[in-house]
Amino acid sequence: DIQMTQSPSSLSASVGDRVTITCRASQSINRNLNWYQQKPGKAPNLLIYAASNLHSGVPSRFSASGSGTDFTLTISSLQPEDFATYFCQQSYTTPRSFGQGTKLEI
Amino acid sequence: QVQLQESGPGLVKPLQTLSLTCTVSGGSISSGDYYWTWIRQPPGKGLEWTGYIYYIGTTYYNPSLKSRVSISVDASKNQFSLRLSSVTAADTAVYYCARGADFWSGYYTRAFDIWGQGTMVTVSS
Repeated sequence: DIQMTQSPSSLSASVGDRVTITCRASQSINRNLNWYQQKPGKAPNLLIYAASNLHSGVPSRFSASGSGTDFTLTISSLQPEDFATYFCQQSYTTPRSFGQGTKLEI
Repeated sequence: QVQLQESGPGLVKPLQTLSLTCTVSGGSISSGDYYWTWIRQPPGKGLEWTGYIYYIGTTYYNPSLKSRVSISVDASKNQFSLRLSSVTAADTAVYYCARGADFWSGYYTRAFDIWGQGTMVTVSS
């Protein structure tokens, strides 16, 4: 099974900050990496697919990159609605696996 | 647009079988190349992929659940279902149904683009 490790586990930031979250796969997954945002009590929402492609309706302040084993998600200028937990997920093989999450706090 | 809604008991006794149903509205479960998925999240923890079923009936399960899990489709009701047998407290979680779709970006990749709101299932006597 492929293990996904995110860092940091939590992150404190302010509105307007630029933040970066890292996700590492235990083996190469090419660019088969997705990112999700989850707010408390809600289901996750797809932000990014295939490592760097914004899903429909996702603001352009979100960007992502990476391939192989190392990936990043960047939010260029934090907005109040961005404070949430972010998960990466590999779609290279089954079983699908998620990172443990990064909680972005004010 | 397509929406998903989970339903089922919120409390299951240990060693019994957990059964949940996901109703798909706004589109047919039999149309398109979608993978109808169950994902769970224990309280305060991360997400665990349980498995999915392709609209033609092919299934993929998480080996961590061994032979306890099964997913089925009822196209006539536009629903798909999860059954998890011999549950323990470790199976206590919010269970989400989700749609897995293929996205083209020079190659096809799969992502979960539509989710239900989730349903909390507690395993307790």
